[in-house]
Amino acid sequence: DTAVSQTPKYLVTQMGNDKSIKCEQNLGHDTMYWYKQDSKKFLKIMFSYNNKELIINETVPNRFSPKSPDKAHLNLHINSLELGDSAVYFCASSPQGDLRPQHFGDGTRLSIL
Amino acid sequence: AQKITQTQPGMFVQEKEAVTLDCTYDTSDPSYGLFWYKQPSSGEMIFLIYQGSYDQQNATEGRYSLNFQKARKSANLVISASQLGDSAMYFCAMREALTGANSKLTFGKGITLSVRP
Repeated sequence: DTAVSQTPKYLVTQMGNDKSIKCEQNLGHDTMYWYKQDSKKFLKIMFSYNNKELIINETVPNRFSPKSPDKAHLNLHINSLELGDSAVYFCASSPQGDLRPQHFGDGTRLSIL
Repeated sequence: AQKITQTQPGMFVQEKEAVTLDCTYDTSDPSYGLFWYKQPSSGEMIFLIYQGSYDQQNATEGRYSLNFQKARKSANLVISASQLGDSAMYFCAMREALTGANSKLTFGKGITLSVRP
């Protein structure tokens, strides 16, 4: 059973389009995250949600809007895609309130043409 | 200032030998966690090992061990008996407790490890 699953795995689209990436975890974790890995492999947090509530919102363009319908799901919607949005986006989850490891999904490779 | 520093260039190791991947960190928080993740060429992020700042002993997980030197703020990953499948990018990361609900993983730049047959 996949612990953190995100879809799609690959997303190729044109500049200006709107797209969504979905994430689901079956670990019973309270906190979920979105990370962006750029072309130099640097990983940076974008958002985190705890029990459907936005906790962390790093300096991310407001074209990116996370949505958490319940604590097992955290989706990422991106409006008006730009070339610089090309990256790998990772969803992750962890238990609330402790320092235990975050578990990552397999990533979504977004390519903007 | 960078919180996690991984400065080694690409590392090479002969199969079956041990290799150490360096990581130093910076925090004023007395309670924190240190992590190592592996990212193979297929792209997924695989959790390897965790060390808590108050843990008395160095963490070990199979062939992975963490050489935790708190005073020096270093958390080096040691891989024993390297295998070809260990070829990957390795990331050191940290979470700080004082940030509470805002606790997030801060990653280093990563180190590429290549295992030679």
